[in-house]
Amino acid sequence: KAGVTQTPRYLIKTRGQQVTLSCSPISGHRSVSWYQQTPGQGLQFLFEYFSETQRNKGNFPGRFSGRQFSNSRSEMNVSTLELGDSALYLCASSSRAGTVTLNEQFFGPGTRLTVL
Amino acid sequence: DAKTTQPPSMDCAEGRAANLPCNHSTISGNEYVYWYRQIHSQGPQYIIHGLKNNETNEMASLIITEDRKSSTLILPHATLRDTAVYYCIVRVAGGTSGGSNYKLTFGKGTLLTVNP
Repeated sequence: KAGVTQTPRYLIKTRGQQVTLSCSPISGHRSVSWYQQTPGQGLQFLFEYFSETQRNKGNFPGRFSGRQFSNSRSEMNVSTLELGDSALYLCASSSRAGTVTLNEQFFGPGTRLTVL
Repeated sequence: DAKTTQPPSMDCAEGRAANLPCNHSTISGNEYVYWYRQIHSQGPQYIIHGLKNNETNEMASLIITEDRKSSTLILPHATLRDTAVYYCIVRVAGGTSGGSNYKLTFGKGTLLTVNP
């Protein structure tokens, strides 16, 4: 069974631009969660989607948004990029909703976003 | 979520046991201790979790103190491929839904370097 895939793997943008990241979960998984990872803050939860509905949301500004499609693929969008948005963005898939079931989450390799 | 404290880095000789400590003095009765690791440029990988009893699986052992305020992850025979950042987090188990202020955060973890 193929793992979680994320595209692109690396991205360079400038301040003020917007970016869209994509995540394809493991086949059969309907839950997709997004995380931001930075050296200073560690791994922080952004939001979770299950069956095309946002189920949980972390404490990030409205510039961060996401959506999930009927095939469970998910996209995350960041508008008006800031230098502080430079991070590794990770996607995790699960067969069940609720990100607390950590042992049932499988992470993708991440997208490294650099904002100049 | 209870806060965890881990040493920023540790070294271990290849073939020896690696013992990674974690303090979680504010853990509540229904919170589990989870361990993840992250190898450079990859997403986090689940290792093990437990509530109060010691746990063992094919990857590691988890020793939780009787008062549950600290735990130790043990890699019995560390290899070079075990070099990674190890994260200890505490969370309630089971799924959840909704909650606009839901937040899940990993700390900065311990960088374990296995030396030949």
